[in-house]
Amino acid sequence: NAGVTQTPKFRILKIGQSMTLQCTQDMNHNYMYWYRQDPGMGLKLIYYSVGAGITDKGEVPNGYNVSRSTTEDFPLRLELAAPSQTSVYFCASSLSSSYNEQFFGPGTRLTVL
Amino acid sequence: GQNIDQPTEMTATEGAIVQINCTYQTSGFNGLFWYQQHAGEAPTFLSYNVLDGLEEKGRFSSFLSRSKGYSYLLLKELQMKDSASYLCAVLLHGGELSFGAGTTVTVRA
Repeated sequence: NAGVTQTPKFRILKIGQSMTLQCTQDMNHNYMYWYRQDPGMGLKLIYYSVGAGITDKGEVPNGYNVSRSTTEDFPLRLELAAPSQTSVYFCASSLSSSYNEQFFGPGTRLTVL
Repeated sequence: GQNIDQPTEMTATEGAIVQINCTYQTSGFNGLFWYQQHAGEAPTFLSYNVLDGLEEKGRFSSFLSRSKGYSYLLLKELQMKDSASYLCAVLLHGGELSFGAGTTVTVRA
């Protein structure tokens, strides 16, 4: 199993550009999550999904969109990138919401200039 | 909102013991996780407590007191490779995790 994979690993965007961060898991997990981590800070939840076709906002959803058309994929879309979105983005997945060990992808480092 | 507090930094000597405290005030509680995160890497799971008491796993132990909103992670026989950030996270009722800012532990020779 590859676990949780994310692409790209690094990206530099100009203000106002758009991009999609890809996330795929091969563990047949129902729950998937997107976090951002700013320097010296903990992870903040952007969006999450409890299954295909179902998504919900987390703590910091503004400026982002998600979709979940399959169990495996959970892309994060940035529209009109802003410098405040410079961060490291982690995707994670878990089997259920009870005992909920989350498995994290390697992260995407995004810089908006 | 959720409030999860842990110290910013701790330093200890190789072979010593370090205790990282975490206090929380959250709108729900389904358990508490500790994750380890090395610089530039993704968090990895260390422990999970849902009932009061101590969970021991090798050199790492984690304690929970739900009535006090308190947990700690105990790292024994510190090794240089234990230098990392340790994240306390509360599992909320919707299945999402709310994280503290993390404690950076530096192990010195």
